[in-house]
Formats: sequence, structure tokens, C-alpha cells
Amino acid sequence: DQQVKQNSPSLSVQEGRISILNCDYTNSMFDYFLWYKKYPAEGPTFLISISSIKDKNEDGRFTVFLNKSAKHLSLHIVPSQPGDSAVYFCAASAPHFNKFYFGSGTKLNVKP
Amino acid sequence: DVKVTQSSRYLVKRTGEKVFLECVQDMDHENMFWYRQDPGLGLRLIYFSYDVKMKEKGDIPEGYSVSREKKERFSLILESASTNQTSMYLCASSLGGTDQNIQYFGAGTRLSVL
Repeated sequence: DQQVKQNSPSLSVQEGRISILNCDYTNSMFDYFLWYKKYPAEGPTFLISISSIKDKNEDGRFTVFLNKSAKHLSLHIVPSQPGDSAVYFCAASAPHFNKFYFGSGTKLNVKP
Repeated sequence: DVKVTQSSRYLVKRTGEKVFLECVQDMDHENMFWYRQDPGLGLRLIYFSYDVKMKEKGDIPEGYSVSREKKERFSLILESASTNQTSMYLCASSLGGTDQNIQYFGAGTRLSVL
């Protein structure tokens, strides 16, 4: 059973608008969350992370929000750019774990 | 910059062949991981290693084994390749020693088993 779920396989957004990617998790022990971006024929690259002691973390155009009570996190990209078109994976980890559980990914397409 | 290098980008093998996928990292990381990525299933952990000669099963270890004889190198072995092992294989490494470790990934090896 997948402990981290991304229920939207794809998302299409106009350039300049906001992209919102969602992720749900089931394990209440998870306390650290990351987003990775993956281009075709490349490995995933780290984008942004958030610890469970926070509910928001911002880095430039990227903001991650964490709602612990709902076991939900989201990644906001504002403004979206065509170069943001990629597959986005969320991942979660529990204390003292060195491994992560990954979602199935959301393919973002930003149209010019 | 952390560099994780996978020896092959593309491999084509026949059913029953023994297959070696090699991964090398240059940042003295303690932890190394092998994942496979399949459409709709995301990244699934096959095996990981916290130290030289140590290995632990991930979520889908069946049909695979691993070897870590040196800290910088982590090999994934398919003893007898099958068509259902056709996939993208990703190696990753992380620092270790702390709870919150970012994993750094290689570019991947796309394996086709015919």
C-alpha cells in the first residue's frame, strides 16, 4: 500500500499562472518531506523540503505547504515557466529513517 | 556538487542473462540506494546500504541483489533477468548520520530485457 500518494498524474498550466501540485500521505510518523523535479532522461533533482515543525517553506518561486492534520502537502510554483515542465515527485521520511517513500509523480506541462 | 554516476544510460539484455548495474558517488556519502521507476508507480526502493558491506532490502527486492565492497560504489545485480525487470533504474546517495538527508540521484539506466 502506497504511503505517499500523488493523485493527479498530470497538470497543465499557462505560463505566468500558479501551478499547484498535491501530495497526501498516510503515515503520521513522517516528519520530513521533499519535492523532486525530474526531466526526461535525467535523474530526479532536489527542489525543496519542509520539516514537520513548519507549515510553510519558500524558495524563490517555489513554496511548499504542509497540513499535518490533513496529512497533505502541496507545492506552489508562481509564476510558472515553460522550463518548469517536468515530472514532480513528493517524498516523505520518518525519524531515524534514511530512506524515503516516494509518490507516483505528477507531470506538469507549462504552456507558453 | 555531488556527482552520482551510473555506468550505462541504456542496456539491452536477454532473458536469463546476469546483469550488473554500477553506481559510483564522489562525495563520501554513507548511504546508497537503488530504485526502479515505472509509469504510474513512481520510485520504488529495491535495496539500500548504510555502510560498506551492509545492505538492507527495500520494498521490492525480489529478483535483485546488491554489492557494496567500497564506500563509493554500489552495484545492483539481476541474477537472471526477466522481462518484468524492464524499467528505469535510479541510483542515489545521501550523507547519512542525520535524520534529514537529501538524496542525490544519478541520471538513470534504462534497461530493456527481451
